[in-house]
Amino acid sequence: GDSVTQMEGPVTLSEEAFLTINCTYTATGYPSLFWYVQYPGEGLQLLLKATKADDKGSNKGFEATYRKETTSFHLEKGSVQVSDSAVYFCALSYPGTASKLTFGTGTRLQVTL
Amino acid sequence: GAVVSQHPSRVICKSGTSVKIECRSLDFQATTMFWYRQFPKQSLMLMATSNEGSKATYEQGVEKDKFLINHASLTLSTLTVTSAHPEDSSFYICSASPRDRVSYEQYFGPGTRLTVT
Repeated sequence: GDSVTQMEGPVTLSEEAFLTINCTYTATGYPSLFWYVQYPGEGLQLLLKATKADDKGSNKGFEATYRKETTSFHLEKGSVQVSDSAVYFCALSYPGTASKLTFGTGTRLQVTL
Repeated sequence: GAVVSQHPSRVICKSGTSVKIECRSLDFQATTMFWYRQFPKQSLMLMATSNEGSKATYEQGVEKDKFLINHASLTLSTLTVTSAHPEDSSFYICSASPRDRVSYEQYFGPGTRLTVT
């Protein structure tokens, strides 16, 4: 079946550092890929998405490119802020199948001053 | 817009009792609502998919008689954990998919922490 693998956290960075959170997937078809973010005490929010190979999703300075050849969707940000501290989930879904999301385990990011 | 609430946010109950968790879409109508369970340091596991006015579809391995789901209206779904036991202690999260948007958009509630003693 489908699965999503994320790098284990926590990831601790200083403010303004470069961020990469790795995500790879195994899928039987051609899914859409997502990054969700969960801030402390809040629900998951969609951060960005990509629906086909080579698409780049971007939002709030974060970006991720759908790489079919490496089955990856790594999340990057050039300069993190303390306010980016959260748990980040990579996920996949197939539109039209009740929108079921398959999640990775989540990666906690802690940004310090 | 697209706010989903859950109630309660935290509940402690005794073993053998039942607990009901509500999930509401506050500013949109949800054709479909989803219930997830999240264990510490693990990903969200989809438990069931509920569509308004019809029976929920449970994922393999999820006991439908233990986790009762009702989706009585386009803005409310409930999850009842019946005869709860300590192993049911977990973080339960719901999400809702708006009826007027593309099928893969989901909006998540803040979660409910259930502790069974």
